Amino acid sequence: ETGVTQTPRHLVMGMTNKKSLKCEQHLGHNAMYWYKQSAKKPLELMFVYNFKEQTENNSVPSRFSPECPNSSHLFLHLHTLQPEDSALYLCASSLLAVGDNQPQHFGDGTRLSIL
Amino acid sequence: AQKITQTQPGMFVQEKEAVTLDCTYDTSDPSYGLFWYKQPSSGEMIFLIYQGSYDQQNATEGRYSLNFQKARKSANLVISASQLGDSAMYFCAMREAAGNKLTFGGGTRVLVKP
Repeated sequence: ETGVTQTPRHLVMGMTNKKSLKCEQHLGHNAMYWYKQSAKKPLELMFVYNFKEQTENNSVPSRFSPECPNSSHLFLHLHTLQPEDSALYLCASSLLAVGDNQPQHFGDGTRLSIL
Repeated sequence: AQKITQTQPGMFVQEKEAVTLDCTYDTSDPSYGLFWYKQPSSGEMIFLIYQGSYDQQNATEGRYSLNFQKARKSANLVISASQLGDSAMYFCAMREAAGNKLTFGGGTRVLVKP
């Protein structure tokens, strides 16, 4: 058990659909992250939340809308996505958002396919 | 500029043998942390080992050890006594104390042969 749970594991959607990815952590962490992992590209940080406040938006298109209602839950709302958005979306958490000795713990990811 | 470089896209290793995965990094921050993660085909990223820039000893965690050469800015992962379950992608990552980003390398795919 990873302590970070992502749902759904797989998602297929059309470009006009609206869907949401959910992430929940049971580790008592205060920072949560969204990453995108595309084929043959390094993991890309999308958003960082620290104590529910967004502290980083890595130039992510507005068709991705994050939401962090509390330190344990993180959502990624999706609308009007493009085929190039097909990827594995990973959620992670860490005790704190800053500090060089803080490992991030990842969920299993949501594999998203845009038709 | 690439901050984390993993030059080996893929490697084969015989079961029960040791394997070294290369990682070099670039930073001007004197305080940083280096991490290795394992990603099996199922997708989850599993934290393996951590090395701090001020740590005097090389980190070890079970069959994993980190060969930290600070002057050369390298942090190679050594997996001893490879097992079939070690077949996965391995990512090196760095986090600078000044920021909140964990920067990942491109990964190395390891396939353990029986």
